[in-house]
Amino acid sequence: DSGVTQTPKHLITATGQRVTLRCSPRSGDLSVYWYQQSLDQGLQFLIQYYNGEERAKGNILERFSAQQFPDLHSELNLSSLELGDSALYFCASSVGGYMNTEAFFGQGTRLTVV
Amino acid sequence: GNSVTQMEGPVTLSEEAFLTINCTYTATGYPSLFWYVQYPGEGLQLLLKATKADDKGSNKGFEATYRKETTSFHLEKGSVQVSDSAVYFCALRQNTGNQFYFGTGTSLTVIP
Repeated sequence: DSGVTQTPKHLITATGQRVTLRCSPRSGDLSVYWYQQSLDQGLQFLIQYYNGEERAKGNILERFSAQQFPDLHSELNLSSLELGDSALYFCASSVGGYMNTEAFFGQGTRLTVV
Repeated sequence: GNSVTQMEGPVTLSEEAFLTINCTYTATGYPSLFWYVQYPGEGLQLLLKATKADDKGSNKGFEATYRKETTSFHLEKGSVQVSDSAVYFCALRQNTGNQFYFGTGTSLTVIP
């Protein structure tokens, strides 16, 4: 158990809909990262938050947004969903800051858009 | 920029065979390097890491040495087991930043 909790584990929704994925980082970790894992694209970095503020942005679509709350949990919002958004979405956390620490991953949310 | 290149899979080995999964990287400065493993249906787990040149990371019989001269971090294991079947990801993280850059993953299947 990595200590990173993601909910829900599975999500099936229709095209055009909006969903919210939730992530609780390990106790004490200030950074949260979101990754998308699809068969054809591999593991793609979406966005990182550190202590409530956006720190880095990767290949995140404009239809996607995220935030980190004062209690450090994070939510990834996906809207106007398309079939191609079907993927595993991972959240990871780390102590954060400019340190050589590893990231700890949750078990992921499998999103299926039908 | 920063990037990681892994050998293409899938890799299939017999139990007790020697494993090498190649990983090379492109980065400015002196990144930290990681190997993560993803077992079926699970998230990524850290396998080992190295934070500076010539460091050797090791865990569960796996080893990788940070080679700055060849910009490589190849994963090795002397004798694989069926339970090692998983997808292995090489990754780097800059010391001055927080983002992790992952390779595309290499699927390993070990047959009895």
